[in-house]
Order: sequence, then structure tokens, then C-alpha cells
Amino acid sequence: GAVVSQHPSRVICKSGTSVKIECRSLDFQATTMFWYRQFPKQSLMLMATSNEGSKATYEQGVEKDKFLINHASLTLSTLTVTSAHPEDSSFYICSSPGTASYGYTFGSGTRLTVV
Amino acid sequence: GEDVEQSLFLSVREGDSSVINCTYTDSSSTYLYWYKQEPGAGLQLLTYIFSNMDMKQDQRLTVLLNKKDKHLSLRIADTQTGDSAIYFCAESINSGYSTLTFGKGTMLLVSP
Repeated sequence: GAVVSQHPSRVICKSGTSVKIECRSLDFQATTMFWYRQFPKQSLMLMATSNEGSKATYEQGVEKDKFLINHASLTLSTLTVTSAHPEDSSFYICSSPGTASYGYTFGSGTRLTVV
Repeated sequence: GEDVEQSLFLSVREGDSSVINCTYTDSSSTYLYWYKQEPGAGLQLLTYIFSNMDMKQDQRLTVLLNKKDKHLSLRIADTQTGDSAIYFCAESINSGYSTLTFGKGTMLLVSP
């Protein structure tokens, strides 16, 4: 089945630095990748939708200059948290429709802690 | 707008059945999903149901859909301690390239 590999699984960084999260589709071409953020005890919130070869579409309230999304190839989408602050600490998950006619394939998530 | 509601917590004993409930508001929802999330991990698709179905059974999992009431439930038979996780209900208006709307998740705790 379709697999999305997400790395790193856990990262701790200092305030002001940037962190890149990668999601790779291993056995299919991911033309679309959804990026979600999950706060503790809350549901997933869609941040943006990336499409290969075009600009990402950001949800209302998500700063595009803060959360840079790149989808330069059919197998790789990246989310870069720039100038990270402690309030950016969260669990980030990517998801792609994959190849099935239903459902979505999720990455394993990245827990970001900004200190 | 779209909204998906779930109860937040459920505690059962090993061997009992668990029933997790979900309600949604978008009548154009076509696909309804149940995902499982273990601590610190991504989401795992457990099962799904199309809006033109009433029931779907897959081994220990049974999904019931009441489209009139916009109510979805997930029944886990013979619940095991390994079933302890957060379960998310989600809906979308088509299968592939529309986004999912998630409920807040139900934490299932299975005690021995």
C-alpha cells in the first residue's frame, strides 16, 4: 500500500532557528500533500495543501512566510518552520490521498519542541 | 460550516465491546472515516464507509451510519489493551483530493 515517510519524528530546536520537516511518498507519486498541525488534546487542523510544481494553498490564519511549504517533486514535500518560537511547538502530520480510491495515507508525524 | 463532534473519553474493560460515537453536520459528506492514533504516532486508517451504506463490518470493527441523524459509530468487539488509543472520526465530500474534517478524537482506555 501507499506509504508516506515523515522525518524527523522528533526535533528540539532553539527559538529563532528553522526546522525542516520532510514527507516522502515511497511507492507512489504524491501530487498533493496536506499538512496538519495538532495541538495537545485537540484535533488535527489543516495548515496548507501543497501541489507538486505549484504554490501551496494556505488556510486562513496560517502565515505562509512562517510555514514554508515546498513540493518540488512528486515524491517529496517539505514544511519549514522559520524563526521558530515556543508557540510553534506542536505535532505536525502530513497526508496524501495516495493511490487508493478511498482514505488517505498519513506520515508518522513530527513532534516539534521549541525551547 | 462543517463540524464533526465526538465524545472525548471512553473507558472499557478488556474483552468488552467499545462503541465510539460521532456526529457531523455536513449533509454533503460522502465518505466517513475512522482513524486510530497511538501516542506520538501518525494516523492509521481503520475503516471507512460511504454515505450510501448503513453498516460495514471488518473483523472486530463495525461501523454504523445513520445518515438521517448524521450519526456515525464505531464498535470494537472484544476490546484489547492494544486498542487503547485516540480514535478520530473524519468526513470528506469526496474520496481523493478534498480535505478531511476531523473530530477532536475519542480517547479509548482499555483496562485489564
